[in-house]
Amino acid sequence: EVKLVESGGGLVQPGRSLKLSCAASGFSFNDYWMGWVRQAPGKGLEWIGEINQDSSTINYTPSLKDKFTISRDNAQNTLYLQMSKLGSEDTAIYYCARAQATFDYWGQGVMVTVSS
Amino acid sequence: DIQMTQSPASLSASLGETVTIECRASEDIYNGLAWYQQKPGKSPQLLIYNANSLHTGVPSRFSGSGSGTQYSLKINSLQSEDVASYFCQQYYDYPWTFGGGTKLELK
Repeated sequence: EVKLVESGGGLVQPGRSLKLSCAASGFSFNDYWMGWVRQAPGKGLEWIGEINQDSSTINYTPSLKDKFTISRDNAQNTLYLQMSKLGSEDTAIYYCARAQATFDYWGQGVMVTVSS
Repeated sequence: DIQMTQSPASLSASLGETVTIECRASEDIYNGLAWYQQKPGKSPQLLIYNANSLHTGVPSRFSGSGSGTQYSLKINSLQSEDVASYFCQQYYDYPWTFGGGTKLELK
């Protein structure tokens, strides 16, 4: 069974950084692209970016390219999202997903709240 | 960026009814389109990819169609478990973009 479990969310002050993790199991992690999508409270879905199997290609949505960094550790079957200079507009549920252009499996999501 | 416009934003329908949700792209996306279902408090789930291919395990009452810039998701014989929000996503060109969503409720 494919399982994706996000962690690392919580309350963070504006301007600070936070790193999310996504632990993958039930499939061969190093065979797949992986991605991050977020959803602000009561809003729609926003694609953050995705990373290929060997981390040689990482694509981001332009507005987040300078703030967020996606990485992965294939030995640990884990995907990461490093977020910096956080603002209130970054308050959202963050989902990791297995990416094959579409997102065929999603984690349960982790809430990030940016507030003083 | 390719803009995805979904309609309607909300929809109320009766059990057993057929429902159609539309998604319009700002340019031709050559069938690079997916549909997702998100039930309240849950993560999104893939329904349709390549505009008209059903993802594994998705009931056959769901279908997708369209081409060019115009796409649609149809739900035949609406069931209570179909109450959810539905989102389209284009993956023809980066950055991938989602439609604003359609909230489906029971009448």
